[in-house]
Amino acid sequence: DVKVTQSSRYLVKRTGEKVFLECVQDMDHENMFWYRQDPGLGLRLIYFSYDVKMKEKGDIPEGYSVSREKKERFSLILESASTNQTSMYLCASSFAGYEQYFGPGTRLTVT
Amino acid sequence: AQSVTQLDSQVPVFEEAPVELRCNYSSSVSVYLFWYVQYPNQGLQLLLKYLSGSTLVKGINGFEAEFNKSQTSFHLRKPSVHISDTAEYFCAVSLVDTGRRALTFGSGTRLQVQP
Repeated sequence: DVKVTQSSRYLVKRTGEKVFLECVQDMDHENMFWYRQDPGLGLRLIYFSYDVKMKEKGDIPEGYSVSREKKERFSLILESASTNQTSMYLCASSFAGYEQYFGPGTRLTVT
Repeated sequence: AQSVTQLDSQVPVFEEAPVELRCNYSSSVSVYLFWYVQYPNQGLQLLLKYLSGSTLVKGINGFEAEFNKSQTSFHLRKPSVHISDTAEYFCAVSLVDTGRRALTFGSGTRLQVQP
């Protein structure tokens, strides 16, 4: 079974803090993704990566950056957390353009 | 650009009744289609997918969906629901043979199964 793990299930941070969300997959997938999920809006793509050190902006990249130094690991960085970044963050991986496998999510609260 | 519309934000239904969750998409190129389910406080799990071939696709937990290219729809159905089917369901598309590997999701449909 494909396994995608995320470093934290719940996280509480203060405004202005730098926040790291980590994601690891064990299926040697080339593609990895970060989504944000908000009620009534579905999932929105923040960034994705199709290879080590390669990244592309998604639909809502403002306020976020990413890092992919190893194929299995994809990190989402909030340089200076703000209250409007309070959300559920979901990581996923895939081979080619086929189905994506999701991690359990990190519920981030910024106070 | 592609888009996905899930027409119903919430669908209440009684246990053992049939259910249909509607999904329409818009795209200028061919697509792959997916349905995912999300149980409370969990990530998304793939229910079923359409890549090519038969337009009637069967998935896990007794769900099925039919791809209708002329109506650009991919509605999800189950003939008899259980309480355990209460969850949020997302329809998604990816574009065939393009550089964009990401999925575009609908806004979700919350299925509430009542006893």
